[in-house]
Amino acid sequence: EPEVTQTPSHQVTQMGQEVILRCVPISNHLYFYWYRQILGQKVEFLVSFYNNEISEKSEIFDDQFSVERPDGSNFTLKIRSTKLEDSAMYFCASSEPSGGDNEQFFGPGTRLTVL
Amino acid sequence: DQQVKQNSPSLSVQEGRISILNCDYTNSMFDYFLWYKKYPAEGPTFLISISSIKDKNEDGRFTVFLNKSAKHLSLHIVPSQPGDSAVYFCAASAHSNTGKLIFGQGTTLQVKP
Repeated sequence: EPEVTQTPSHQVTQMGQEVILRCVPISNHLYFYWYRQILGQKVEFLVSFYNNEISEKSEIFDDQFSVERPDGSNFTLKIRSTKLEDSAMYFCASSEPSGGDNEQFFGPGTRLTVL
Repeated sequence: DQQVKQNSPSLSVQEGRISILNCDYTNSMFDYFLWYKKYPAEGPTFLISISSIKDKNEDGRFTVFLNKSAKHLSLHIVPSQPGDSAVYFCAASAHSNTGKLIFGQGTTLQVKP
């Protein structure tokens, strides 16, 4: 069964460093998303991406964040200068919307630890 | 801004009995609702969904009920099994091209053998 994959599973970085989180969405999906979950809190939407551009972003997704689909399979989230409060689980998701339904499939997540 | 709320942080039921997980929402623009199941160190796994034009959707042991006037939905699991023990998230979206999901805080379900 097709699945969303993410690498790395765990990333440890120093505050101020850049990190790139990678995702391979399900191959025939058209919409891509990043969410995050800070420990003990709810899953929060960061950004949605369609047709090679951002379609919506949350207040969390400030200028330090960017997304890219560099080729036909990968979808990346870059944090330019990490802060302590960026420590969280980051989930990539993809969907193939039809008729307004929005069943999103999530990857296993990358745990980002900023020291 | 808690547009989707799951007021019960945890629920414990006996194996074989019914589990009922509840979710409330405030945004009347939401027209699609989903339940996800999450195990520790894994991503959310899609379980079942319902469109706002329906009031019930059933898939095996899982049934979701939607009460639009009360802005309330519930997930029924019957019979409950120990493998159902996980965190259950309610999520909602409004019909749009972006597909942004708004999640509740989650309810931890424990099914005791």
